[in-house]
Amino acid sequence: QQQVKQSPQSLIVQKGGISIINCAYENTAFDYFPWYQQFPGKGPALLIAIRPDVSEKKEGRFTISFNKSAKQFSLHIMDSQPGDSATYFCAPGVAGTASKLTFGTGTRLQVTL
Amino acid sequence: GAVVSQHPSWVICKSGTSVKIECRSLDFQATTMFWYRQFPKQSLMLMATSNEGSKATYEQGVEKDKFLINHASLTLSTLTVTSAHPEDSSFYICSASLRDTQYFGPGTRLTVL
Repeated sequence: QQQVKQSPQSLIVQKGGISIINCAYENTAFDYFPWYQQFPGKGPALLIAIRPDVSEKKEGRFTISFNKSAKQFSLHIMDSQPGDSATYFCAPGVAGTASKLTFGTGTRLQVTL
Repeated sequence: GAVVSQHPSWVICKSGTSVKIECRSLDFQATTMFWYRQFPKQSLMLMATSNEGSKATYEQGVEKDKFLINHASLTLSTLTVTSAHPEDSSFYICSASLRDTQYFGPGTRLTVL
């Protein structure tokens, strides 16, 4: 199975700081790049997603940066808040309702006061 | 919008019994649903793709006779864990596709004694 690797595995950021999580993939057929947020005991929730026709997308405090040549994309959380403490997964895939997502290894983010 | 529910949210059963988990898309129709399993502090692992009106497609290594999937309507998919054993204890999460996005249910915690 094609691997999707995230880094770092865990991250501690002070309140107000910037959290950066990276995702590297191998499958060049991927054309849909979402980030999911998961709280303990809950299902993942879509945070933000990008298509390869743009290099960056911003929604509120969350930004995706996409580097097609490097086969990497990253999530930036500006002004990190304690409520952002969760596990984040990248899950690239091929666009389409029947298409599978390949979940990354996950990054546990802790935002301290 | 795009809400997915699961029932039950948690279940405890004895070894050798069968357990059924329901996944419903509440405000949209989904021809494709997915079933995942997640062990503690690990990523989501895709078990199978459920297509309305047809047989499910299982990922390599997933026993189709043990994990029975039925997608009888555009809003309901069920996962039945047959002859459950303690090693089947896990967090089971479903998702339903709407256009390019997978929306996840809240998950079902299964504990097999």
